[in-house]
Amino acid sequence: NAGVMQNPRHLVRRRGQEARLRCSPMKGHSHVYWYRQLPEEGLKFMVYLQKENIIDESGMPKERFSAEFPKEGPSILRIQQVVRGDSAAYFCASSPGGHNEQYFGPGTRLTVT
Amino acid sequence: AQSVTQLDSQVPVFEEAPVELRCNYSSSVSVYLFWYVQYPNQGLQLLLKYLSGSTLVESINGFEAEFNKSQTSFHLRKPSVHISDTAEYFCAVSGAGSYQLTFGKGTKLSVIP
Repeated sequence: NAGVMQNPRHLVRRRGQEARLRCSPMKGHSHVYWYRQLPEEGLKFMVYLQKENIIDESGMPKERFSAEFPKEGPSILRIQQVVRGDSAAYFCASSPGGHNEQYFGPGTRLTVT
Repeated sequence: AQSVTQLDSQVPVFEEAPVELRCNYSSSVSVYLFWYVQYPNQGLQLLLKYLSGSTLVESINGFEAEFNKSQTSFHLRKPSVHISDTAEYFCAVSGAGSYQLTFGKGTKLSVIP
């Protein structure tokens, strides 16, 4: 049973470009969570999604960030017009239900130059 | 809302010595508590968790943590560390029945040969 998969593992973008981060949950998991880890910080919750629904986006910046989890395919975290402060590791986690243990992917390390 | 404090950002310890990584939390509701381990350039792996029942929980690789409600702590201990334990350790909390994890800033454990 493959774990949570994220790609790309490393992403370099220039300021003003768009970044798309993908997350495939574990088989049988329909709940996805995105977290951001800034340097020297712990992970911060960003958004919680189920298939085709955003359940809680209270941790998402109000502008430039969006997330989706379509009926088919991976969950996508999209950052428009990236700035240097967006440089971080972005982790995806999945669970079979909303109150279950979360399994984390290896993360995508975004560098904005 | 919950918060987590990991007082030690770095802990160096000699191989085969005991170690304790401290974690304190604050919450106005009942909590679930977790320790995650992150090896270099990898995602987070769940090390152990407290949901209910016995306040002492153990992992398969010799770590243990004790939930102390009166001191609002969930310290992680191992009686004898190995080189392979070198990693960053994150304490996390969620409200009982909640999905949102709140993480501490992490403690980097360095095991010295």
